[in-house]
Amino acid sequence: DAKTTQPTSMDCAEGRAANLPCNHSTISGNEYVYWYRQIHSQGPQYIIHGLKNNETNEMASLIITEDRKSSTLILPHATLRDTAVYYCIVRVANAGNNRKLIWGLGTSLAVNP
Amino acid sequence: NAGVTQTPKFRVLKTGQSMTLLCAQDMNHEYMYWYRQDPGMGLRLIHYSVGEGTTAKGEVPDGYNVSRLKKQNFLLGLESAAPSQTSVYFCASNSAGVGTDTQYFGPGTRLTVL
Repeated sequence: DAKTTQPTSMDCAEGRAANLPCNHSTISGNEYVYWYRQIHSQGPQYIIHGLKNNETNEMASLIITEDRKSSTLILPHATLRDTAVYYCIVRVANAGNNRKLIWGLGTSLAVNP
Repeated sequence: NAGVTQTPKFRVLKTGQSMTLLCAQDMNHEYMYWYRQDPGMGLRLIHYSVGEGTTAKGEVPDGYNVSRLKKQNFLLGLESAAPSQTSVYFCASNSAGVGTDTQYFGPGTRLTVL
């Protein structure tokens, strides 16, 4: 699975959009980009994933560049409850028995009032 | 639908003691995982299972054993606890179906080994 690079920390004002970048320059054609988040002391929570098209769900939007070497997770109206560590993970989907995720250190997002 | 549950939530052990952490999921998932998370580090995979009766080693399996006797349960055992095993342990599961790689996590077990 390709490696990812994320900023260590970011700040965002409450009510504003939070844009979290992820670099995955060595991504392969069959690798998906997954985003999870971990609120302090809780288990990680799935947010969204995509292959090459932009994706949106009730939690966030995922924008993947045309060359797929980077992506941005967008929380459109950040709230204090969005303060968490956000993980960007790249992996091959449905890879037989190899469903393991490789976790980095993520981006610590602080949403400020 | 409780999702993924872990028992116990907290535990303090003395060096050399043994214990078993229980993970249970009610989503009929084939895959289950045990991770540990230490301060300043990402989650590291200890062991995982791709189905009832099967287990496999992850990144950091030493000092741990696992069993998957029932599809819904995945047990993590520490035979002789060491201070280096002080950590937060997370269990996760996911389905084996197409397009279903999303992992669902439990709330964690905080283990301290003195």
